[in-house]
Amino acid sequence: KQEVTQIPAALSVPEGENLVLNCSFTDSAIYNLQWFRQDPGKGLTSLLLIQSSQREQTSGRLNASLDKSSGRSTLYIAASQPGDSATYLCAVSDLKTIFGAGTRLFVKA
Amino acid sequence: DTAVSQTPKYLVTQMGNDKSIKCEQNLGHDTMYWYKQDSKKFLKIMFSYNNKELIINETVPNRFSPKSPDKAHLNLHINSLELGDSAVYFCASSSTTGGRTEAFFGQGTRLTVV
Repeated sequence: KQEVTQIPAALSVPEGENLVLNCSFTDSAIYNLQWFRQDPGKGLTSLLLIQSSQREQTSGRLNASLDKSSGRSTLYIAASQPGDSATYLCAVSDLKTIFGAGTRLFVKA
Repeated sequence: DTAVSQTPKYLVTQMGNDKSIKCEQNLGHDTMYWYKQDSKKFLKIMFSYNNKELIINETVPNRFSPKSPDKAHLNLHINSLELGDSAVYFCASSSTTGGRTEAFFGQGTRLTVV
């Protein structure tokens, strides 16, 4: 049974800091891994998708890596801004998409 | 132009009532899902349909019945609503053609049972 764990559960950083969010999963037989952002009371916004054959994806200040063999992914956010404050969710897909519990990020101005 | 749309956005109803949530996607995806996000914000899959056929049915009370009239729609009907059904329900879609694509989510339906 696939389990997805995200560390830390919450993170507070000053504006401008670079930060790393961690995601681990127990079954490496996945099709892809996706990082989402969820703002309070809102839906999910897809940030990055990494196919199982890929090792990283980049979009603007975001970089996500995938090490399938060790069951780990990281989301790197460069030069954090207050607008980055949200919950970040990691999800892995095989026949279904399983989510971690998320990391709540607060970036202080 | 919304890719995955759910209606209603908010739903407040009394215990024992029956209600439906509708979902439509215009992305041409062949797979649709229903997720429940509880008060602790944990997202858990409930159902998955591929080409109108049920392929995943997690441990969900049989008061919940999904219906997929076509590939673009997956509705969720809930009978005899209970207080514990209060949550945010998300619909999502993805494609299995040429590998599994990214999942797109609707904005959620906040269900409150009083």
